[in-house]
Amino acid sequence: DGGITQSPKYLFRKEGQNVTLSCEQNLNHDAMYWYRQDPGQGLRLIYYSQIVNDFQKGDIAEGYSVSREKKESFPLTVTSAQKNPTAFYLCASTSVAHEQFFGPGTRLTVL
Amino acid sequence: DAKTTQPTSMDCAEGRAANLPCNHSTISGNEYVYWYRQIHSQGPQYIIHGLKNNETNEMASLIITEDRKSSTLILPHATLRDTAVYYCIVRVGGAETSGSRLTFGEGTQLTVNP
Repeated sequence: DGGITQSPKYLFRKEGQNVTLSCEQNLNHDAMYWYRQDPGQGLRLIYYSQIVNDFQKGDIAEGYSVSREKKESFPLTVTSAQKNPTAFYLCASTSVAHEQFFGPGTRLTVL
Repeated sequence: DAKTTQPTSMDCAEGRAANLPCNHSTISGNEYVYWYRQIHSQGPQYIIHGLKNNETNEMASLIITEDRKSSTLILPHATLRDTAVYYCIVRVGGAETSGSRLTFGEGTQLTVNP
C-alpha cells in the first residue's frame, strides 16, 4: 500500500535531550512537510522540502532541524533548544496534484 | 494565501445533511478552496477542492458562491464517523504549487449526534 509512515506513534524524552521523528513515504512525492499541532489548535508548519537536499523554514522552525537526503525520507529532529516540544507532530507529502497526504502522527511528550 | 473564517463548532443529526460554511472574502483569482478533516488524534484527510464551479465526489459536495467569497461543504448524509474538525483552506493550486504550503486555521468541530 502506498502512503506515509511515521514512527514511533508515541515518544517520550527527558528534558534537554534531542529526539528524531521518522517520516517515510512511498508515493514518489517531491514535496514533504512537518507540522506541529497543540491541543485544540490547528496545524502549524515547521519545515518543508520541495526536492532532495533542499528545505525551507516554516512558521515555527526554531528549535527544530530537518534533512532530506532521500526523496522518500524527511526526518525531523526536535532539539533541546525547543522550549515547549510536547505536541502532536504530523508529516505530509504532495506531488503536483492538489491533495496533501498526511501520516498518522507522532505524539511527543517531554518528561 | 487568503485567510478563512469558520464557525468554531456545529452539530448535526445522524442521517441529515451537514452544511459547513467558510468565508474567504480576500480570495484571489488563482486560489482554490480546499477542505480537509481531522478525526481526533489522526492526520488530516483531504476531502475536496474547487476553484469556481461546484464540485462533488464520493465524500462531499462543495458549493462556491459566484463571487467566490464564501463556500459551503456539504456532507449529504452525516454519520457518527463524520465527527471531526473540518478545515477550510485557500491557496494557489495546480502544478505550480508543488511544495507550497497549506495554512491551517482552527477549523470547525462538527459533532454528529445519534
